[in-house]
Amino acid sequence: DTGVSQDPRHKITKRGQNVTFRCDPISEHNRLYWYRQTLGQGPEFLTYFQNEAQLEKSRLLSDRFSAERPKGSFSTLEIQRTEQGDSAMYLCASSLGGFRGGQETQYFGPGTRLLVL
Amino acid sequence: QQPVQSPQAVILREGEDAVINCSSSKALYSVHWYRQKHGEAPIFLMILLKGGEQKGHDKISASFNEKKQQSSLYLTASQLSYSGTYFCGTEKPSGNTPLVFGKGTRLSVIA
Repeated sequence: DTGVSQDPRHKITKRGQNVTFRCDPISEHNRLYWYRQTLGQGPEFLTYFQNEAQLEKSRLLSDRFSAERPKGSFSTLEIQRTEQGDSAMYLCASSLGGFRGGQETQYFGPGTRLLVL
Repeated sequence: QQPVQSPQAVILREGEDAVINCSSSKALYSVHWYRQKHGEAPIFLMILLKGGEQKGHDKISASFNEKKQQSSLYLTASQLSYSGTYFCGTEKPSGNTPLVFGKGTRLSVIA
């Protein structure tokens, strides 16, 4: 399978704990996106990388959230001091993008479902 | 600016047609359509890049009216497998920007 993979698929944690999610994009995709999705809503953009550079962060990304893509391949999203409001599906997507005028299809991974108790 | 999708939900019998609309109050560079089944990742359907562009494969097609800042997804002769939530995602006029998704349209196809 050469699609986007995410780990873990499910995570249950207690409020106040830290959690870390991993995303492995499609190989050779230079762009990697993180989205959050809650029930009945579309995916909401959190942040994205082009290679190892983090190009944009949403206002949704509070100081408790941090994302890295150290070598331009896989990425991690860490949430510190989790709150119940952080419960959501965290989706990762990758694309071959950044070329003006070109099509940029984002391919999504299966997501990590987080439940904060 | 989040695009607005309509209708919010629709129920079809197999073989019936449906239209899902996606509109924005701001100019768009492109419109991306995805389908998501419960508990699964959104699956890419198609991108429309230019005003007036139309695309389609199998019995699912879409159009993009740049002037009206809206796109429509057409599902003809619906099949049970078409059930799911359809999302449109839009890019800012500069292009190559993160997608802003609508709230989705839940489509249920029944036998």
